[in-house]
Amino acid sequence: EAQVTQNPRYLITVTGKKLTVTCSQNMNHEYMSWYRQDPGLGLRQIYYSMNVEVTDKGDVPEGYKVSRKEKRNFPLILESPSPNQTSLYFCASSLGPSSSPQHFGDGTRLSIL
Amino acid sequence: AQSVAQPEDQVNVAEGNPLTVKCTYSVSGNPYLFWYVQYPNRGLQFLLKYITGDNLVKGSYGFEAEFNKSQTSFHLKKPSALVSDSALYFCAVRDNDYKLSFGAGTTVTVRA
Repeated sequence: EAQVTQNPRYLITVTGKKLTVTCSQNMNHEYMSWYRQDPGLGLRQIYYSMNVEVTDKGDVPEGYKVSRKEKRNFPLILESPSPNQTSLYFCASSLGPSSSPQHFGDGTRLSIL
Repeated sequence: AQSVAQPEDQVNVAEGNPLTVKCTYSVSGNPYLFWYVQYPNRGLQFLLKYITGDNLVKGSYGFEAEFNKSQTSFHLKKPSALVSDSALYFCAVRDNDYKLSFGAGTTVTVRA
């Protein structure tokens, strides 16, 4: 089954404790992206990757890191999480960046205390 | 910079009535326009897209959308809404850049 898998689905942690949210897709997609969803703001793009070893900033990259060492994986790293990063996070992938629809994971709800 | 506006936070309709969810956009180049739907505790699901060609685009679950270049709009429509259409709907736009911008979302409630 074609899917984008995120882990964990839920996480409660404390300020400053490094965390990683994993994302994996099994569709051989080149383009992957991370978003955060906040009430009234819709989805905002954090980082995206056009292909292996190619990443670029989205609209809200501050406080986040990503890597793309393999085509299927695109982890999101919070080196020193802060409460304003409490949000619902989505990973997505698509064949290409332009006209292809994106396939989304089921989301990761992060709470930073 | 590109942007998307969904002017209505909520849309309420009776089952069987037409459903319209509004979206306007702003881009510097040619727009790629998308509609997605989100059900509770799930990720977004693709409904339809406009890239070029016919201004009326048909998508999944009986939805369609009309691209209007002069009004920079891409409204989502369904002729006869179902209770199961109740969800959160997002419009998104991409231009010649590789970033994708989403609207704030519209909550659709279809009452039986």
